[in-house]
Amino acid sequence: AQSVAQPEDQVNVAEGNPLTVKCTYSVSGNPYLFWYVQYPNRGLQFLLKYITGDNLVKGSYGFEAEFNKSQTSFHLKKPSALVSDSALYFCAVRDKAGRRALTFGSGTRLQVQP
Amino acid sequence: DAGVIQSPRHEVTEMGQEVTLRCKPISGHDYLFWYRQTMMRGLELLIYFNNNVPIDDSGMPEDRFSAKMPNASFSTLKIQPSEPRDSAVYFCASSGGQGATDTQYFGPGTRLTVL
Repeated sequence: AQSVAQPEDQVNVAEGNPLTVKCTYSVSGNPYLFWYVQYPNRGLQFLLKYITGDNLVKGSYGFEAEFNKSQTSFHLKKPSALVSDSALYFCAVRDKAGRRALTFGSGTRLQVQP
Repeated sequence: DAGVIQSPRHEVTEMGQEVTLRCKPISGHDYLFWYRQTMMRGLELLIYFNNNVPIDDSGMPEDRFSAKMPNASFSTLKIQPSEPRDSAVYFCASSGGQGATDTQYFGPGTRLTVL
């Protein structure tokens, strides 16, 4: 079985400061890893993914994530937070060789204070 | 592209009534997924299709839930009879197509309230 842990329910950061949203995963084979963002009353919006290759993945809106196989982590980062980044962030995983459906973490609410 | 389209956006119904949720995937995508989001259980897969064929329905809660995909551009999720515990946001997502990637693109969701 595969699983995702997002250990922080909420992350607070001041505008202009760097942000990190943590994610660890468990999967039997090679992972495909994803980050999605959800704004209030909206669907999930794709941010970035790791399939293979470079461990540092760059995505939309200045976000990036680092795949660390030894620590089974895929933390989301941004060098300088914006108030408009405030939203709910989900990490998701699937086994490369397994079923196509994603397993999601519980979500982390990011609050960026002006 | 218009993205994944879901209807209705909001549905309020009474316990025991039949509810039908609809989804139009992104044109050319060959995978379609139905997910449910609740406060208690988070985001969980209900069922997914490949080329209109159900591949994994292990997340469908019980026989009251059924899903169909009669063609590549339309899918329905039906609940009959509905119960208050079915209240949730139901998302449809699609992926695949030419130059296939594993990125799933989500619709805006249907917020279902069963009274």
